[in-house]
Amino acid sequence: RKEVEQDPGPFNVPEGATVAFNCTYSNSASQSFFWYRQDCRKEPKLLMSVYSSGNEDGRFTAQLNRASQYISLLIRDSKLSDSATYLCVVVDRGSTLGRLYFGRGTQLTVWP
Amino acid sequence: ETGVTQSPTHLIKTRGQQVTLRCSSQSGHNTVSWYQQALGQGPQFIFQYYREEENGRGNFPPRFSGLQFPNYSSELNVNALELDDSALYLCASSLMTGGGYGGELFFGEGSRLTVL
Repeated sequence: RKEVEQDPGPFNVPEGATVAFNCTYSNSASQSFFWYRQDCRKEPKLLMSVYSSGNEDGRFTAQLNRASQYISLLIRDSKLSDSATYLCVVVDRGSTLGRLYFGRGTQLTVWP
Repeated sequence: ETGVTQSPTHLIKTRGQQVTLRCSSQSGHNTVSWYQQALGQGPQFIFQYYREEENGRGNFPPRFSGLQFPNYSSELNVNALELDDSALYLCASSLMTGGGYGGELFFGEGSRLTVL
């Protein structure tokens, strides 16, 4: 069983749409959670951290449900520039390595 | 940009050959992690180097090895290449302090390896 599971999509939405991605993780001891964004043939870049209380950064909202071991990312008012692959990332408790467990990513295409 | 540079950006090898990939970490960072990203998959942790020593390893065979140099740059070596080694190899640098998790990783653009 993989550490982090994501629906690979693809999600194809029009500009202005709201889209949500989900992710589950298998290790209940996981400590830190992130969403990364990866553009085609580029490196992953940190989009936002995910906190237990939920957090928002502009059009992006991240939620964490520890009981269900579930993470979500909501994008409102989608822009063409949001087209990318979104990677769910988990770090285990006690990991002094900063070892990241990545999901396989969810591909988003926003069309005009 | 992240300040993490990798070379070469693209290379083609044949089965059984050996390859060395290089990474220069961001200024001020002391830790380098290597990840393998196969097509359509998320990055998978290979290993991490801190203070010139391997500081953790993922589920990769011994033919994947590495080095970290005093200037914190790093190399990833892969011997006896197999077709399944074809992937994007990502280097990420971070600052590890005495307290544990080193904070945000900054990735280089990767080295795309094709094994024929």
